[in-house]
Amino acid sequence: DAMVIQNPRYQVTQFGKPVTLSCSQTLNHNVMYWYQQKSSQAPKLLFHYYDKDFNNEADTPDNFQSRRPNTSFCFLDIRSPGLGDAAMYLCATSMGDRDNEKLFFGSGTQLSVL
Amino acid sequence: GENVEQHPSTLSVQEGDSAVIKCTYSDSASNYFPWYKQELGKRPQLIIDIRSNVGEKKDQRIAVTLNKTAKHFSLHITETQPEDSAVYFCAASKVAGSQGNLIFGKGTKLSVKP
Repeated sequence: DAMVIQNPRYQVTQFGKPVTLSCSQTLNHNVMYWYQQKSSQAPKLLFHYYDKDFNNEADTPDNFQSRRPNTSFCFLDIRSPGLGDAAMYLCATSMGDRDNEKLFFGSGTQLSVL
Repeated sequence: GENVEQHPSTLSVQEGDSAVIKCTYSDSASNYFPWYKQELGKRPQLIIDIRSNVGEKKDQRIAVTLNKTAKHFSLHITETQPEDSAVYFCAASKVAGSQGNLIFGKGTKLSVKP
């Protein structure tokens, strides 16, 4: 049931070296989200796209950027990863309509920063 | 913005007992309250949700109650089983679409002892 697919499952990068995480969906959902989840903590919303409309959370660092070239794909770019950016990154989708707020999560990408 | 408080942070019960997890929210305009279950190393998955026009919802051994006046909602699991062991997150949001996003509580680690 791979409806929200994240690649890779594990990503290792070096301190300061740009990294891109990818997410694709087969659900044709309007909304795509990126969450950061650190160990034993709740998922924290970084930003989301409603179709092509980008919505950034106020406390998301500038170091994090996102792109959504089409309905199916969304990317998370970390321009200069720091040690504090090591975390699980979860992509999620939803229809975005009232009465269809259910989030469908991908399996996540575990990012390590060396 | 919305703030969601969740208690307890850990909960240990004997198999067959009931488990209750409670959440409070701050924004009276929030109208959608899902609960997600996350097993170790896996993606969060929706187990039940409730909207503000409903006071209670039940699905087999799982039920959720909502008190809009007090701004709190609870998850009830009856006849707990070892496979119920996981981290449970509550969440709240206002509206779907471009204005909506889920704010998660910090999670409750439930352990069900055989």
